[in-house]
Amino acid sequence: GAGVSQSPSNKVTEKGKDVELRCDPISGHTALYWYRQSLGQGLEFLIYFQGNSAPDKSGLPSDRFSAERTGGSVSTLTIQRTQQEDSAVYLCASSLNRGDSEQYFGPGTRLTVT
Amino acid sequence: DAKTTQPPSMDCAEGRAANLPCNHSTISGNEYVYWYRQIHSQGPQYIIHGLKNNETNEMASLIITEDRKSSTLILPHATLRDTAVYYCIVRGPLASGGSYIPTFGRGTSLIVHP
Repeated sequence: GAGVSQSPSNKVTEKGKDVELRCDPISGHTALYWYRQSLGQGLEFLIYFQGNSAPDKSGLPSDRFSAERTGGSVSTLTIQRTQQEDSAVYLCASSLNRGDSEQYFGPGTRLTVT
Repeated sequence: DAKTTQPPSMDCAEGRAANLPCNHSTISGNEYVYWYRQIHSQGPQYIIHGLKNNETNEMASLIITEDRKSSTLILPHATLRDTAVYYCIVRGPLASGGSYIPTFGRGTSLIVHP
């Protein structure tokens, strides 16, 4: 079946612009995660959704970052007034239920802020 | 969730078995051992997980020591495409206070050479 998909695959934006990153999880997966990965680094947790609600937003690095999930499916991560330090690969993952089963990751969106 | 320790890098000849170790000496009785890998420029990929017994699937085998303080991921016949960073993660079930946020450390960078 279809895996987790993310769009766009690459995004180049100017400093100060807003960007939206999209994640389509595997159908039926109730848990959804956003991470980011800077070059040569490990994965940094950003936010977790269970259904449409986000019980844990503790990883969002600043109030310029927000995320929503509608219909228990598609999620959008929005970064406002982008900064150069926001450049990274943004990864989305989903898991079957309650977040304690194995995660399936999308290919990521590579964001470059110039 | 318990912490894990992995060697930063390993190499293996193509066609030979790759044995990747992981120490998790503080693991508790209901925590599972998960393995993921991340091939360059891709999102992490789930490989296998286990609790007490050894596990095998089409990708790999997982050997967990009797005291559960360490485990080994075995790729029986490594290929060049197995070159990746391999992450060992320990997670407990949510119902017993385990975290729904898997913590990905630096992992082991495995290089398979011809």
